[in-house]
Amino acid sequence: EDKVVQSPLSLVVHEGDTVTLNCSYEVTNFRSLLWYKQEKKAPTFLFMLTSSGIEKKSGRLSSILDKKELFSILNITATQTGDSAIYLCAVKAGRRALTFGSGTRLQVQP
Amino acid sequence: NAGVTQTPKFQVLKTGQSMTLQCAQDMNHNSMYWYRQDPGMGLRLIYYSASEGTTDKGEVPNGYNVSRLNKREFSLRLESAAPSQTSVYFCASSERGGGPETQYFGPGTRLLVL
Repeated sequence: EDKVVQSPLSLVVHEGDTVTLNCSYEVTNFRSLLWYKQEKKAPTFLFMLTSSGIEKKSGRLSSILDKKELFSILNITATQTGDSAIYLCAVKAGRRALTFGSGTRLQVQP
Repeated sequence: NAGVTQTPKFQVLKTGQSMTLQCAQDMNHNSMYWYRQDPGMGLRLIYYSASEGTTDKGEVPNGYNVSRLNKREFSLRLESAAPSQTSVYFCASSERGGGPETQYFGPGTRLLVL
């Protein structure tokens, strides 16, 4: 059974802080790991990672995958209140549909 | 190009009633998915359709049926709604189901079963 675990479950920080969100997985025939941001409605895509050690970056957000240790991190630097959201990690394995973690709820206070 | 659309946006049902949630995508994607999202549970896959004409059970299929009407449309049916099916339902699509992929999500349907 595919398993994706995210930590922490929730996090409260102040604007300007840097945060690191974690995602570990146990799957067979790993294909890719995806990060999504969910505000009020549907998740929106952030990154897709398939190779170890290659950082994906978009503005203040970055993510990296470690396929040996079976985890990924999502970093957000200089956080803003607009970063407040649930961040979802999902893993694609074999031909199976994505398996999602339970998410990390991030709250950025002014 | 609307992406993934879902109807209705919100629905209230009484226990035992039936309803169908509609989903359509205009991206010519092969694969489509139905998820439910409950507090603290993340997204859980109900059913998916890897390609037109095929459907498969996901993690939590009990109490649901699906129809892949054509390549664009994938509906989710609750035959006899139960309070445990109160949730937010998301439809998603992806280009193909076999490799690394990005899924595109609809706006969600909030369902309340009394």
